[in-house]
Amino acid sequence: ILNVEQSPQSLHVQEGDSTNFTCSFPSSNFYALHWYRWETAKSPEALFVMTLNGDEKKKGRISATLNTKEGYSYLYIKGSQPEDSATYLCAFIGHSSASKIIFGSGTRLSIRP
Amino acid sequence: EPEVTQTPSHQVTQMGQEVILRCVPISNHLYFYWYRQILGQKVEFLVSFYNNEISEKSEIFDDQFSVERPDGSNFTLKIRSTKLEDSAMYFCASRYGQDNISPLHFGNGTRLTVT
Repeated sequence: ILNVEQSPQSLHVQEGDSTNFTCSFPSSNFYALHWYRWETAKSPEALFVMTLNGDEKKKGRISATLNTKEGYSYLYIKGSQPEDSATYLCAFIGHSSASKIIFGSGTRLSIRP
Repeated sequence: EPEVTQTPSHQVTQMGQEVILRCVPISNHLYFYWYRQILGQKVEFLVSFYNNEISEKSEIFDDQFSVERPDGSNFTLKIRSTKLEDSAMYFCASRYGQDNISPLHFGNGTRLTVT
């Protein structure tokens, strides 16, 4: 059974603070990793597609890094704003089943004004 | 911007009845997916569909479930003889997929309530 884990499960952060959370995945079968943001009452939206070890992607105040050798990715948010409140999901694609995209359980982020 | 659309947004059905959940993926996308999320749990992969056939399915996707692309635009999930534990949010997603890394585009989901 393929395990994609995210931690922490939830996070409460003061507006203006920076934060980060983790996605871990099987390192032996890695093909690609996605990060999604899922706001309440909406559908998940893609943030990043990551494929190479050492990849670093950035979109405004949000960035992500990838370590395929040890099987983890970090998502960082700099200077959190209330609009960053959402659930952040990572999704793993393995070499052996590239059409099967497996999600972690998500990190629910709440920003306190 | 093109989007994935799902209907209905909420479906209530009695245990044992059949339901069909409908999705219209983005028109130039090649891979289609169904996921579900039981309340309070993680988003679970059900099935992926490519070139008019199932490419992968999970252990959840048993004989009770089937998918179809009947007319080149719709992508449906049929659940025969629904059970209480089928109550969940069902998400359809599509992706271009030619490069095998492109991200998923999700619909807004169908909330299925089995009573």
